[in-house]
Amino acid sequence: KQEVTQIPAALSVPEGENLVLNCSFTDSAIYNLQWFRQDPGKGLTSLLLIQSSQREQTSGRLNASLDKSSGRSTLYIAASQPGDSATYLCAVRPQAQGAQKLVFGQGTRLTINP
Amino acid sequence: DTGVSQDPRHKITKRGQNVTFRCDPISEHNRLYWYRQTLGQGPEFLTYFQNEAQLEKSRLLSDRFSAERPKGSFSTLEIQRTEQGDSAMYLCASSPLGASGRETQYFGPGTRLLVL
Repeated sequence: KQEVTQIPAALSVPEGENLVLNCSFTDSAIYNLQWFRQDPGKGLTSLLLIQSSQREQTSGRLNASLDKSSGRSTLYIAASQPGDSATYLCAVRPQAQGAQKLVFGQGTRLTINP
Repeated sequence: DTGVSQDPRHKITKRGQNVTFRCDPISEHNRLYWYRQTLGQGPEFLTYFQNEAQLEKSRLLSDRFSAERPKGSFSTLEIQRTEQGDSAMYLCASSPLGASGRETQYFGPGTRLLVL
């Protein structure tokens, strides 16, 4: 059974710092890995999707890496801003036959202090 | 493209009552998903439709839960005889029918259920 773990559960940093969020998964048989952002009481917004054959994806100040063999991914946020405050969720799509679901970690709650 | 919409956004009910939620996916998206998210946790998969066919169901989907997607458009999720443990955010997502591993799931704003 695929399990996804995110560390830390919460992180608070001053504005302007670069930071790294971590995600690990137990089964390397995945189609892809996604990072989502969730604001309080709201739905999820996809930030980056990394195919299983890729090593990293970049969007603006965000960079996500994937090491499938070791079951790890990181989300790097450069020059953090107060607007980056949110919960960040990592999810994998298992490669099990017919599987379309995403398996999520519990999230990292990020607070950027002005 | 108006995105995935869900109705209602909030629902308060008493234990034992039935509730029904609606999800309207992005038009032309063949795939539709339901997830449940409790406070402080990531979403958990409930069920998945491809067009009108329900192809995958989680063990979390007890016999009190039923989902439909008539005509392959909007979907409904009904919970019968609600229990306090059903209190959660119910999220709907949709995606196009594409090559495996390349399609993103687009999430709606969710329906927050509180069972008193």
